[in-house]
Amino acid sequence: DTGVSQDPRHKITKRGQNVTFRCDPISEHNRLYWYRQTLGQGPEFLTYFQNEAQLEKSRLLSDRFSAERPKGSFSTLEIQRTEQGDSAMYLCASSPGGLGGRSADTQYFGPGTRLTVL
Amino acid sequence: QQPVQSPQAVILREGEDAVINCSSSKALYSVHWYRQKHGEAPVFLMILLKGGEQMRHEKISASFNEKKQQSSLYLTASQLSYSGTYFCGTEISGGSYIPTFGRGTSLIVHP
Repeated sequence: DTGVSQDPRHKITKRGQNVTFRCDPISEHNRLYWYRQTLGQGPEFLTYFQNEAQLEKSRLLSDRFSAERPKGSFSTLEIQRTEQGDSAMYLCASSPGGLGGRSADTQYFGPGTRLTVL
Repeated sequence: QQPVQSPQAVILREGEDAVINCSSSKALYSVHWYRQKHGEAPVFLMILLKGGEQMRHEKISASFNEKKQQSSLYLTASQLSYSGTYFCGTEISGGSYIPTFGRGTSLIVHP
């Protein structure tokens, strides 16, 4: 299977703990996105990478959140000092990236990591 | 800047048609349509670009009216497999590469 994969699929943690999620994009996809989705809502953008460079972060991404994509391949999203409000599905998506200039890219989503903070 | 989707929910019988609308208060560069089944990731349906043509995916088609800043998704002769939540994601002209998603339209197709 060459789709986007995420690990773990489910994570239950206690308030105040740190958690880290991993995303493996479709190989050779330049762009990688992290979203958060809560019940009854569409995906909310968190951050975006073009290769290893983090190009944009949402205001939703507090200083407790950090994301990396060290070699331009897989990415990790870490949440420090988790709060109950962090409970959500965290989705990763990747896209091929344009050849240059602006292009609207098709995003391919992974299965998500469901986080529950007790 | 979140697009507004309507209706919030649609209930159909198999074989009936449905239209889902997505509108924005900003000038749009592109509109993305996804379908998400319960507990699963969103699955790409189609993307419509400013100045582009109407798109089609099997019996699902979509249009993009740039002047009205809106897109419509047309589901023809709906099948049971069409059930799910449909999201539109809009990219604003002059913005970044990131679509902003609406709250979704829940579609239920009954036999």
